[in-house]
Amino acid sequence: LAKTTQPISMDSYEGQEVNITCSHNNIATNDYITWYQQFPSQGPRFIIQGYKTKVTNEVASLFIPADRKSSTLSLPRVSLSDTAVYYCLVRKRGSTLGRLYFGRGTQLTVWP
Amino acid sequence: KAGVTQTPRYLIKTRGQQVTLSCSPISGHRSVSWYQQTPGQGLQFLFEYFSETQRNKGNFPGRFSGRQFSNSRSEMNVSTLELGDSALYLCASSLVTSGGNEQFFGPGTRLTVL
Repeated sequence: LAKTTQPISMDSYEGQEVNITCSHNNIATNDYITWYQQFPSQGPRFIIQGYKTKVTNEVASLFIPADRKSSTLSLPRVSLSDTAVYYCLVRKRGSTLGRLYFGRGTQLTVWP
Repeated sequence: KAGVTQTPRYLIKTRGQQVTLSCSPISGHRSVSWYQQTPGQGLQFLFEYFSETQRNKGNFPGRFSGRQFSNSRSEMNVSTLELGDSALYLCASSLVTSGGNEQFFGPGTRLTVL
């Protein structure tokens, strides 16, 4: 199973763009890359998922290079409410999978 | 559409007791997974149920058990509670168990064991 590595913490200011990079050197051909956000005492919330190149939704963008050994979650113009823990996960597609492997995540703190 | 609901939200028990937590998935979702979250261990997978059958199980002792009903609602039970069982217990539901499908998490049940 591909293990992920991401920074323990990051700081930013309101209005800035934040990029959180995740390493997954052992990613397999049939693995997706998924990011979740979690606020204190709440369940994680799905942000974005991708397989290769770039994926964008109303919340974030996900950049995945050709070798797929890393990925970068990009949050445009963060606000105080984006302060949360962000988890990078690698999950297999096309198989029975209700099981998500969460690492330690990245604590993002946004300052005024 | 209503989200995943978990009851109760908070629970205080003493060592040796048992506890049952409940999870109602999003309407139409048939897969329910349970996770334990603690500051020391992070988010850890407990088990997954689909169509009333346990499909996946994490590395937890037999004191932790679960079940799923025909309406997809799920319960998890912890017997002979230990102090280390104090945690946030999260339930997540998804449409199917195939990879690539988003899991939706509930708000969790905060269990405190005294």
